[in-house]
Amino acid sequence: DAKTTQPNSMESNEEEPVHLPCNHSTISGTDYIHWYRQLPSQGPEYVIHGLTSNVNNRMASLAIAEDRKSSTLILHRATLRDAAVYYCILRSHNNDMRFGAGTRLTVKP
Amino acid sequence: DTGVSQNPRHKITKRGQNVTFRCDPISEHNRLYWYRQTLGQGPEFLTYFQNEAQLEKSRLLSDRFSAERPKGSFSTLEIQRTEQGDSAMYLCASSLGSGGAEAFFGQGTRLTVV
Repeated sequence: DAKTTQPNSMESNEEEPVHLPCNHSTISGTDYIHWYRQLPSQGPEYVIHGLTSNVNNRMASLAIAEDRKSSTLILHRATLRDAAVYYCILRSHNNDMRFGAGTRLTVKP
Repeated sequence: DTGVSQNPRHKITKRGQNVTFRCDPISEHNRLYWYRQTLGQGPEFLTYFQNEAQLEKSRLLSDRFSAERPKGSFSTLEIQRTEQGDSAMYLCASSLGSGGAEAFFGQGTRLTVV
């Protein structure tokens, strides 16, 4: 049911930026792009979301392609605590909260 | 407000027994979701409510599974005649609306069927 495609895994070095890609070629005009992450033995937690414009918050930035068929979650300086599975999902009133397998991010010290 | 609360955190049951899980969402959140997650997989959608109305059920939700949300507040997920394949983490989430609304997840209930 997931309508997004993400790499299975990525690695990053501590203190370096990380760009996590997501493809959503079938996105509709009413779909918001959400990112969640899940630390071991915890429920997913919200990271960021956007509709058309790029978004920044204290955790991350979200860059959305002009055609909205892809997006990138940017962690500006990865820390060991950012090691998690990151999920990109589409959410609208009629198409709600389906998760794929996500990207497992490993952060090396 | 302490967030989404799920009880119990862990449940061990014998095959064939019935189990019930409870989810207390954040106050005022009208949407409530249930997911199932097995090791190494992303959360699988089971069902969701808008207030007290159950709006969608996944094909994964067999007739042994039932969910309720009386009065649009807390929700319960019951599994009847449990099977070993039901062993998983059951997650609950709530949000105020959909679309651009942030969803909040509980810590989950880990079910082990022996």
